[in-house]
Amino acid sequence: NAGVTQTPKFRILKIGQSMTLQCTQDMNHNYMYWYRQDPGMGLKLIYYSVGAGITDKGEVPNGYNVSRSTTEDFPLRLELAAPSQTSVYFCASSSTGTGYTEAFFGQGTRLTVV
Amino acid sequence: TQLLEQSPQFLSIQEGENLTVYCNSSSVFSSLQWYRQEPGEGPVLLVTVVTGGEVKKLKRLTFQFGDARKDSSLHITAAQPGDTGLYLCAGDSGGSNYKLTFGKGTLLTVNP
Repeated sequence: NAGVTQTPKFRILKIGQSMTLQCTQDMNHNYMYWYRQDPGMGLKLIYYSVGAGITDKGEVPNGYNVSRSTTEDFPLRLELAAPSQTSVYFCASSSTGTGYTEAFFGQGTRLTVV
Repeated sequence: TQLLEQSPQFLSIQEGENLTVYCNSSSVFSSLQWYRQEPGEGPVLLVTVVTGGEVKKLKRLTFQFGDARKDSSLHITAAQPGDTGLYLCAGDSGGSNYKLTFGKGTLLTVNP
């Protein structure tokens, strides 16, 4: 009963390095999302996907890229890491079978860029 | 851009007290969710309210959706230390959007 799994849980990057945050879900949800959470700022949507092969930008997409080759996986790529990308990143998925969106979140990746 | 304002931002109370937190917007939402987030964890869905005026109860937690579907409240009766956490509301604008707009959250601390 894994739900949404994110790896790694913690990472320290140097300025200019790149990395991929992994996210996989086993609930067969069509919709997947990447959020970042900064203290006192709530959750900001970075990118989202409505199905395999389809992605779109959220509120704060600059400096990030995503792909969705399968229903299960939705990796987030950071190119040329900057201190402003220090944050906690959450992946989520949702099913809209009920007619409205209910999100299920992973445990998060705490990223520090130094 | 749809915004959700949550108040208060911080709340510290003693065990056994009652409390209410609010989630307000100038926009109409097709549904609104409440999540609770504990330190080091992702948010966990507590409830979804869909109909204007709807009231849902989850043990000691009571959730209400405003008649105009622009606001919501969460009332906790006889708070316990286990209720400590960040409470987030999120609105779904409906249609083919399938994106949630989150408030900044209310950080609740219940002291024993």
